[in-house]
Parts: sequence; structure tokens; C-alpha cells
Amino acid sequence: AQSVTQPDIHITVSEGASLELRCNYSYGATPYLFWYVQSPGQGLQLLLKYFSGDTLVQGIKGFEAEFKRSQSSFNLRKPSVHWSDAAEYFCAVGSVRQGAQKLVFGQGTRLTINP
Amino acid sequence: NAGVTQTPKFRILKIGQSMTLQCTQDMNHNYMYWYRQDPGMGLKLIYYSVGAGITDKGEVPNGYNVSRSTTEDFPLRLELAAPSQTSVYFCASRASGQGSYEQYFGPGTRLTVT
Repeated sequence: AQSVTQPDIHITVSEGASLELRCNYSYGATPYLFWYVQSPGQGLQLLLKYFSGDTLVQGIKGFEAEFKRSQSSFNLRKPSVHWSDAAEYFCAVGSVRQGAQKLVFGQGTRLTINP
Repeated sequence: NAGVTQTPKFRILKIGQSMTLQCTQDMNHNYMYWYRQDPGMGLKLIYYSVGAGITDKGEVPNGYNVSRSTTEDFPLRLELAAPSQTSVYFCASRASGQGSYEQYFGPGTRLTVT
């Protein structure tokens, strides 16, 4: 069965600092991988996705993520955070064989930005 | 283009009451989903549908029912509300074509059962 672990429940960084949010997945083959962001009181919005090809993927709002098969990881990064990046971030995995028909989500990482 | 809309935004139920959470999408998506989000637990899939007339259970279906009579609508029914169903409920949809894997989420319904 697929599973996703986000080891950090809450991270605090200063505005302008770099950010890395960790995501580890368990899946028997190459999965489809996603990062979603949830602002307070809102639904989830897709930041970026990995299906195949280049292991470094670019997303919206200046985010990027790198797929590392050997480490079963798909960490999200941003070189310089802005106060508006404060939100909850979810990593998700989908089955390639099933066309990502269903997604399994991690527990989420809440990001706080210090001014 | 409204995307995915959910009603109501908030609701308080007494134990044993029933209600229907409404979800509508105007993107002509075949796939629709219901999730619940509990604090620190991420999103858990309740039910999903791959098209009108076709539904299937997700990870946590107990206590819920769904129907899909049209492409646009995917209501979630709670028959006998229990405190364990206090949660935030999200509806999502996506297209069914190759590579169309992004799920689009509604704003959520916050439900409290007391």
C-alpha cells in the first residue's frame, strides 16, 4: 500500500530564508508525486507535480521539488520565503498503474514565517 | 467559471441527525472525491466517483453515503451523525484524460457534531 510521511509537523523560518519541506513515500514502483498548499480556511491548491523525466520540477510561487528515487523522497524547496507562504503543505502520492486515480496524502507540514 | 463549490460552509449537528453536504463542479470532470481532514491527520479519502452512476469506497467510508446521478454533482450523506464525524470535509474533482492528474478542491465544509 502507498504511504506518505512528512516528518516535520511544524516549521518556522524567517522571511527571506530558504525553505525545505521533507516528504518520504512508500510505493512499489515509480509513483506520481504532488505537493499541495492550503492557506487558512481554504481548499488545497496544486504547487507542482512529478510524473516522469527530469527529477527537478518547478512549480508555482517559486517552489521546486526534487524526486530522489534512491531515498524515496520528494522534498519541496524555495530559496527565499515570503510572509505569504505561511500555510500548510501536503505531499501526496498516486499510483502510476491506476493513473493517479486516488491520492494518498501525508499529514501535512505547517509553515510559519517570522518577520 | 466557479470550479468546485461546496455548501454549506459551516454546520453544527446534534448526535443522530442527518445531513447532506453538497458538491458541484462546472469543469465537466469525470472524477470526483470526498475527503475529510482532521487536525494533524492530513486528508483521508471517504468516497470517490469515476463518472455518473459509478461510486467506490475510499479509506474511511463508514457512516457516509454518496450518489452520482449527474457529472456535476456529488453529494455526501451523513445518516446518523456521530461526534467522530466532526471534521472539515473537502470535495475535489479532476479530468480523466491522460496526464490530467491534478485534483481541484472546493473551499470545504466545517462540520461539528455535538
